[in-house]
Amino acid sequence: TQLLEQSPQFLSIQEGENLTVYCNSSSVFSSLQWYRQEPGEGPVLLVTVVTGGEVKKLKRLTFQFGDARKDSSLHITAAQTGDTGLYLCAGAGYGGSQGNLIFGKGTKLSVKP
Amino acid sequence: GAGVSQSPSNKVTEKGKDVELRCDPISGHTALYWYRQSLGQGLEFLIYFQGNSAPDKSGLPSDRFSAERTGGSVSTLTIQRTQQEDSAVYLCASSLGGGAEAFFGQGTRLTVV
Repeated sequence: TQLLEQSPQFLSIQEGENLTVYCNSSSVFSSLQWYRQEPGEGPVLLVTVVTGGEVKKLKRLTFQFGDARKDSSLHITAAQTGDTGLYLCAGAGYGGSQGNLIFGKGTKLSVKP
Repeated sequence: GAGVSQSPSNKVTEKGKDVELRCDPISGHTALYWYRQSLGQGLEFLIYFQGNSAPDKSGLPSDRFSAERTGGSVSTLTIQRTQQEDSAVYLCASSLGGGAEAFFGQGTRLTVV
């Protein structure tokens, strides 16, 4: 059973388009983290959302935490080729398993010029 | 060091040989994670260390895999009698624990031939 489902699994878009990726679970998390991983590198944290309903903006990226703290979304406006990478969400505070940090399988984003 | 350091960065080994992968976490981080990532895929949890507590080994795929963390710092992941399906990137991460932000190394790319 996958605790955190990310969708879509793959996304290929043209530069300038908008997109949204989703991270869903039936479990409640104390916080949710979004990471981006570029080829040949380890994942790097983009943002942590903590409060249900919270919205955080990071330049063209908008992150939202669901009211019930079970799901999250990442919206990118006017995507650029530099946004290409693997986007991972991670739920924290699951409760003793896997180090209290559960990762989804990721959304692989390709932004074409 | 300034970040999580993993060595070697690349390892090619013959099927049936044993390999050791090393991780130097960020100083002061009590939590240490090992993940496996196949080409283009998400993170597969392997093992988690937190302070002096017994490690969470629930993600180790077989008894050929083991890990140690000496003195609460450096960790070694050992794979015995390597198989071709063990080929992947092995990522180490450390954090302050309790689901805090995970800082990743650049990984060790293991190829079993």
